[in-house]
Amino acid sequence: GEDVEQSLFLSVREGDSSVINCTYTDSSSTYLYWYKQEPGAGLQLLTYIFSNMDMKQDQRLTVLLNKKDKHLSLRIADTQTGDSAIYFCAFSGNTPLVFGKGTRLSVIA
Amino acid sequence: GAVVSQHPSRVICKSGTSVKIECRSLDFQATTMFWYRQFPKKSLMLMATSNEGSKATYEQGVEKDKFLINHASLTLSTLTVTSAHPEDSSFYICSARLPRGLNTEAFFGQGTRLTVV
Repeated sequence: GEDVEQSLFLSVREGDSSVINCTYTDSSSTYLYWYKQEPGAGLQLLTYIFSNMDMKQDQRLTVLLNKKDKHLSLRIADTQTGDSAIYFCAFSGNTPLVFGKGTRLSVIA
Repeated sequence: GAVVSQHPSRVICKSGTSVKIECRSLDFQATTMFWYRQFPKKSLMLMATSNEGSKATYEQGVEKDKFLINHASLTLSTLTVTSAHPEDSSFYICSARLPRGLNTEAFFGQGTRLTVV
């Protein structure tokens, strides 16, 4: 089955860029997602990328996909305190989503 | 984007009782919904796939008699935790995909925090 790895913690200063990384094993995924979970809340879809794309930019968010290395990253520009949350990468092919364990982003004012 | 509504958002129940959690797709028909459980400081684990009009498909290790899933309509799936125990306390999240095919976006409910006392 799919194996997804994420670093568990990331701490950045307000205004800096945050980069959250994810590696995966299954190359058949068609959609690759980034979700945000704030304390006590459900999952919020931030953005997603098709597997035939290398990059997608959406306002402060930039997703990079390196299919050769099976590496997905999420860059948050000008990180704000409201960005503090847990970020999950997730992958889907013809199966339910497989999630990474989540990266807890802490933003220091 | 599409909206998935989950209810209740929080529930506290006594040990031995049953709790029902509802998951509704508000603006689309979901032939398939998914139920996830999130353990503290851990990722989401798929519990079961809920299929409209048929039996749910449970993941290995998930007790189907304990976690009853009903998907009676194209917009509603329910998860009933029967004879709840404190170890069932967790965050449960449902998900639905747009019916454009298998490989489509997934949308999540707000989640239900279950506490069994």
